[in-house]
Amino acid sequence: SYEVTQPLSVSVALGQTARITCGGNNIGSKNVHWYQQKPGQAPVVVIYRDNKRPSGIPERFSGSNSGNTATLTISGAQVGDEGDYYCQVWDAATGRPFGGGTKLTVL
Amino acid sequence: QVQLQESGPRLLKPSQTLSLTCSVSGGSISSDYYWSWVRQSAGKGLEWIGRIFSTGITNYNPSLKSRVIMSVDTSKNQFSLRLSSVTAAETAVYYCVRDSVDAGHDKWGQGTLVTVSS
Repeated sequence: SYEVTQPLSVSVALGQTARITCGGNNIGSKNVHWYQQKPGQAPVVVIYRDNKRPSGIPERFSGSNSGNTATLTISGAQVGDEGDYYCQVWDAATGRPFGGGTKLTVL
Repeated sequence: QVQLQESGPRLLKPSQTLSLTCSVSGGSISSDYYWSWVRQSAGKGLEWIGRIFSTGITNYNPSLKSRVIMSVDTSKNQFSLRLSSVTAAETAVYYCVRDSVDAGHDKWGQGTLVTVSS
């Protein structure tokens, strides 16, 4: 089965750039979606298809995907960006697995 | 604006079958989307359970496939999840989700907590 791995936590100073990675075998050949989840709320997609931003998502959110790593980048991180972030792919054998999630802390 | 709402029993005993229904409003379940179920145990990550298309085509998480059945009722604009032989470890918030092939899970229900306890 296809597995995607994420760091458990990422910390970033206020206003700096946060990068959250999502690793998987040749993940660059797959579409990666990123979700933000805040406590007590349902997840929200912040990046889809590697680097597309849904309407209403701030421009400071961006994504890239190449080789074995996809990356969610938050430029100028704000306190309101704190939460858990999950990556997700589609794999014919495994379906739509999520990564284990990364807790983002803005210091 | 499409909205999704889960419904079903909130308390089950071990070995029973979990049955949830998701009602879709503000849009047709027969549109060009899949409809998924995702769950999350307290303090844990998201787990994709499976998805169904309006024609009845399904994809399931391989780890749950033997116990999962999803169905769709286009006349009621609803889709459903049945998960048999549940255990306490499957106590979780269950979300129904609209699944766009290109844009991921773009609409989520509020989630419903299902507790499995003897």
